[in-house]
Amino acid sequence: ELKVEQNPLFLSMQEGKNYTIYCNYSTTSDRLYWYRQDPGKSLESLFVLLSNGAVKQEGRLMASLDTKARLSTLHITAAVHDLSATYFCAGGDDKIIFGKGTRLHILP
Amino acid sequence: EPEVTQTPSHQVTQMGQEVILRCVPISNHLYFYWYRQILGQKVEFLVSFYNNEISEKSEIFDDQFSVERPDGSNFTLKIRSTKLEDSAMYFCASSEASRLNEQYFGPGTRLTVT
Repeated sequence: ELKVEQNPLFLSMQEGKNYTIYCNYSTTSDRLYWYRQDPGKSLESLFVLLSNGAVKQEGRLMASLDTKARLSTLHITAAVHDLSATYFCAGGDDKIIFGKGTRLHILP
Repeated sequence: EPEVTQTPSHQVTQMGQEVILRCVPISNHLYFYWYRQILGQKVEFLVSFYNNEISEKSEIFDDQFSVERPDGSNFTLKIRSTKLEDSAMYFCASSEASRLNEQYFGPGTRLTVT
């Protein structure tokens, strides 16, 4: 069964800095997801990556997928406080298997 | 924009009681899912449902759990005899014609078992 590992699990960073969250997965998956979750809230879909080499960007977030390495990354550029949240990587063809999440705390 | 809705937003129940969590998926969606998230932990798959039957379930989804689509719009998760460890946020999701379509998540029901 698909396993999804994220790192780091907790990240505290200064505003204006860049950082990357890594997501490794164990078996092939037709798609790779990134979700954002604010405390006590639901899951907001950020990106769906479908193919090797896929790169998607939205604002200060950019996600990429390397299916050969079974690796996806979520890159944060010039972080702002509003990006503080938990970010989940997930994969799966039908049921979605989630990573443990990366709790991102951006300090002003 | 169509969205998945869930009721109630918060349910408090005593151990051993039955609870029913309700979801209204997006109207033209055919695949339905329940996930749960224990506080501070990752989201876990419970069950998928298509064509009025369970297509897959996880180890968590034991005999205490059941799902139903009682009419054309609702999708319910029943827990027959709740335990303390059932306390979690329960998310419903739905997807369109193919199981490969993106799943859309509802806002969740927070279940607290005392």
